[in-house]
Amino acid sequence: GAGVSQSPSNKVTEKGKDVELRCDPISGHTALYWYRQSLGQGLEFLIYFQGNSAPDKSGLPSDRFSAERTGGSVSTLTIQRTQQEDSAVYLCASSLGNTIYFGEGSWLTVV
Amino acid sequence: GEDVEQSLFLSVREGDSSVINCTYTDSSSTYLYWYKQEPGAGLQLLTYIFSNMDMKQDQRLTVLLNKKDKHLSLRIADTQTGDSAIYFCADFSGGYNKLIFGAGTRLAVHP
Repeated sequence: GAGVSQSPSNKVTEKGKDVELRCDPISGHTALYWYRQSLGQGLEFLIYFQGNSAPDKSGLPSDRFSAERTGGSVSTLTIQRTQQEDSAVYLCASSLGNTIYFGEGSWLTVV
Repeated sequence: GEDVEQSLFLSVREGDSSVINCTYTDSSSTYLYWYKQEPGAGLQLLTYIFSNMDMKQDQRLTVLLNKKDKHLSLRIADTQTGDSAIYFCADFSGGYNKLIFGAGTRLAVHP
């Protein structure tokens, strides 16, 4: 596709379940970022990939959060044993050079 | 860590110019970005400026950068109701390889 694609666009899950969020970056983009946007918390950096490696995982809030990227393309953000405070919009972005484009986000609600 | 600050709210009359201001602390900033977010949507890249430039114009948008004072502004000429949104200033830190966002400025355009 032409832009960054994220799925699912909306997810409601029960507390304690695991969720996987997927990001398809723009074709050829080598850098990929995950951010979280919560009410009252602004945009919070989670993780950055250059190719398949993640030189910066400093933003992952706990060991329940993990992410991987395969083939230098698709990335998956996994949240294990979800908690209510994980409810947020998870945004993915990709870039090649200076332009950094975001997807529409995955809206996660933990009930 | 590095910080980006924005005023939270701006109200303008339709047809007037809007000026949204941003300050940042990062001395190793390479690029500075403006993103627009409409309700329920992701972040739309509006424009960006290299840290060695002082001005960039793109149709109704003018970005001014004062590197000495670490002050960035976005001017929207002839503001329309469709410009109502939250505008995020972001600093791409060369030292951290990530975007650092401000809290966002909510622009309200009234007749």
